[in-house]
Amino acid sequence: RKEVEQDPGPFNVPEGATVAFNCTYSNSASQSFFWYRQDCRKEPKLLMSVYSSGNEDGRFTAQLNRASQYISLLIRDSKLSDSATYLCVVNGNTGKLIFGQGTTLQVKP
Amino acid sequence: EAQVTQNPRYLITVTGKKLTVTCSQNMNHEYMSWYRQDPGLGLRQIYYSMNVEVTDKGDVPEGYKVSRKEKRNFPLILESPSPNQTSLYFCASSPRPNTGELFFGEGSRLTVL
Repeated sequence: RKEVEQDPGPFNVPEGATVAFNCTYSNSASQSFFWYRQDCRKEPKLLMSVYSSGNEDGRFTAQLNRASQYISLLIRDSKLSDSATYLCVVNGNTGKLIFGQGTTLQVKP
Repeated sequence: EAQVTQNPRYLITVTGKKLTVTCSQNMNHEYMSWYRQDPGLGLRQIYYSMNVEVTDKGDVPEGYKVSRKEKRNFPLILESPSPNQTSLYFCASSPRPNTGELFFGEGSRLTVL
């Protein structure tokens, strides 16, 4: 089993839709969780950290479910510019960051 | 401008010809790391460095070497490249890696024939 697993998609949604991605992790001792965004052929960039209480940044909401060992990213009112690959990142056994393979989102007009 | 700079951005080479991909950051970050990204496999860590003269293996270090003689530079060396090292390589730095905030370079696309 991979340490961090994501549904690769692609998720194809119309503009204005709400879309959610999940990411599961295997190490119950993980303490830190993040979502990164990667545009096609570009470098990944930190989108947001995921806190135990959940956090929101504009149209983006991140949540953590420790009992089921998954984190989620919700995007409301999708824009064309949201089209990208979203990478789930979890700290592993040694504190090292482990990246999921990413979920691709395509927002259509 | 705060940035991580990698060179070359694109390289086609042949099996066995030694090459170096340079990485430099101007943010005075102690932590630096190299990743490779392959379809279906995501980002995998090759080597990382917590500080000058301190380097450690990541998940896929075979066939690679690194050095950290200065804080700002962290070159990736392929002594004898092979076709399975064809990949997209990213260098990253961080002031505190446990915060998850990594700053990535723009990537270096390497093809080994």
